[in-house]
Amino acid sequence: GQQLNQSPQSMFIQEGEDVSMNCTSSSIFNTWLWYKQDPGEGPVLLIALYKAGELTSNGRLTAQFGITRKDSFLNISASIPSDVGIYFCAGRRRANDMRFGAGTRLTVKP
Amino acid sequence: EPEVTQTPSHQVTQMGQEVILRCVPISNHLYFYWYRQILGQKVEFLVSFYNNEISEKSEIFDDQFSVERPDGSNFTLKIRSTKLEDSAMYFCASSADQRATNEKLFFGSGTQLSVL
Repeated sequence: GQQLNQSPQSMFIQEGEDVSMNCTSSSIFNTWLWYKQDPGEGPVLLIALYKAGELTSNGRLTAQFGITRKDSFLNISASIPSDVGIYFCAGRRRANDMRFGAGTRLTVKP
Repeated sequence: EPEVTQTPSHQVTQMGQEVILRCVPISNHLYFYWYRQILGQKVEFLVSFYNNEISEKSEIFDDQFSVERPDGSNFTLKIRSTKLEDSAMYFCASSADQRATNEKLFFGSGTQLSVL
């Protein structure tokens, strides 16, 4: 179905290191999105991807929409302590619903 | 910056009671959504709403759930008879554009529902 497999589940890194996480699915999506969730808050959109192969940056964040439309990755360069949080990928096939991955919990050690 | 607001931030209820979670979407948005997140798990889609009717719902959204847009600003989620497993953070979201390829969802901060 529309199951999204996100990995890794968690990451513990040193400040300054680069981070990479990805999502894969057996289904094709028209849109891939990456969200960050801070404790007690709702998900906040980081990057939206609309075309297969698209590579988009937002500051230190870079995300790509896979050519097959079944996967996406998010990279964070030169991590800082405020990058801590849970990162979710989300895929959308139609306007009416969006499915989330299970999240990657990022811990950044100063 | 416009934002989606949800009330209350925390709701504690007894099993079997009805609860209504309230949301005020961003004012010019047309699509409205409810998601939930059980502690430590992923965000799950419940329902989407457009033009005063449900557009899509997930298998979680059974007969115990209903949504309503009672006026021009509020969007509510009602759980008719709460169960222990309904305990979760419930997020409301809204979006402006109806085209699948150009739509951003904006989330509220959530209502933490605890069913005792």
